Amino acid sequence: KAGVTQTPRYLIKTRGQQVTLSCSPISGHRSVSWYQQTPGQGLQFLFEYFSETQRNKGNFPGRFSGRQFSNSRSEMNVSTLELGDSALYLCASSLEGYYGYTFGSGTRLTVV
Amino acid sequence: DQQVKQNSPSLSVQEGRISILNCDYTNSMFDYFLWYKKYPAEGPTFLISISSIKDKNEDGRFTVFLNKSAKHLSLHIVPSQPGDSAVYFCAASAGRSQGNLIFGKGTKLSVKP
Repeated sequence: KAGVTQTPRYLIKTRGQQVTLSCSPISGHRSVSWYQQTPGQGLQFLFEYFSETQRNKGNFPGRFSGRQFSNSRSEMNVSTLELGDSALYLCASSLEGYYGYTFGSGTRLTVV
Repeated sequence: DQQVKQNSPSLSVQEGRISILNCDYTNSMFDYFLWYKKYPAEGPTFLISISSIKDKNEDGRFTVFLNKSAKHLSLHIVPSQPGDSAVYFCAASAGRSQGNLIFGKGTKLSVKP
């Protein structure tokens, strides 16, 4: 079966711009979570969506937002980009009630 | 404040020997723990998990041990293989169905032939 697909794989943006990242979960998975990975902070939880509703939110500023569509696909948006937003953004999906989230390969965002 | 800590940034082991990766947590609400393996330029891959009602879970060469009183868990890989060389992340959650995993910063395992 197809895994978690994240697009694009790489992205370069200028400070102050905004960006939208996309995640297609494994078919049948209704939960989608987003994580930010940086060398200094490791993997940090951004937010989780389940059935189009945000179920959990991490400790990130309001510039980071997301949404989930009826087909479970999810997007995250970062507005007013800062240099510190440069990171690998990972999406993970899971069946409700089953643990062991499956991660995508991530989107590498570079802010210049 | 780090709720999940992996105090060893790196570990080097000889092929065929045991690899032991350690993880400590501070939040007593955590009741589900997972280990992930990550290769460069790829997302983390789920390895094994353990619920707080157990103290051990085995899956092939991988065994996870949980010591709730010490708030400590460990991943044992026996025997270690060169293909096991990767970064290993410990993660915890308060609730099996919760999507907000709290990760440690990882331990880079190198298995030498």
